[in-house]
Amino acid sequence: EDKVVQSPLSLVVHEGDTVTLNCSYEVTNFRSLLWYKQEKKAPTFLFMLTSSGIEKKSGRLSSILDKKELSSILNITATQTGDSAIYLCAVEQGGSEKLVFGKGTKLTVNP
Amino acid sequence: DAGVIQSPRHEVTEMGQEVTLRCKPISGHNSLFWYRQTMMRGLELLIYFNNNVPIDDSGMPEDRFSAKMPNASFSTLKIQPSEPRDSAVYFCASTTSQGKQYFGPGTRLTVT
Repeated sequence: EDKVVQSPLSLVVHEGDTVTLNCSYEVTNFRSLLWYKQEKKAPTFLFMLTSSGIEKKSGRLSSILDKKELSSILNITATQTGDSAIYLCAVEQGGSEKLVFGKGTKLTVNP
Repeated sequence: DAGVIQSPRHEVTEMGQEVTLRCKPISGHNSLFWYRQTMMRGLELLIYFNNNVPIDDSGMPEDRFSAKMPNASFSTLKIQPSEPRDSAVYFCASTTSQGKQYFGPGTRLTVT
């Protein structure tokens, strides 16, 4: 069965800290891996990764995919209270538009 | 663009009642997805449509759940009869191509 596992399930840090969120997957016919941020409402798109070893960056957030290890990490540097959210990892299979989601990492950034 | 539109935003109903959730995808998007999110199970795909045709409904929990997409700009998810264990947030998402899905604000359903 296809699955996506995220760790840790929750994380509490102080403003200014750097955090690393992990995502590992077991899916048939991998096509891409996506990261979403979910605050109180709908998940919003952060990154889509298809190639191993190429970092994607957006401000203080960055992500990289390791196809050999079947995993990805999401880094957030100099965290702010506004980064508090659930971060979801999802994997897309080739030949299908389905996304298989992990259960998410709940990040709390305290002032 | 208005984004994916869902209604109602909140629904409280009694067990046994019929519930209908509605979704309007982003104009021009040809695929539409219905998800359910709970604390225990996370975000689960229920069904998805491509060009208004149901492609994969393997996530639909049981016969009480049904979904339709009569045209490119409208879809419904119906639960009949509803049960307390159906309480969850239901999201609709749409996309033009594989990968990046855009989510609606969700409908929070409470069945008492």
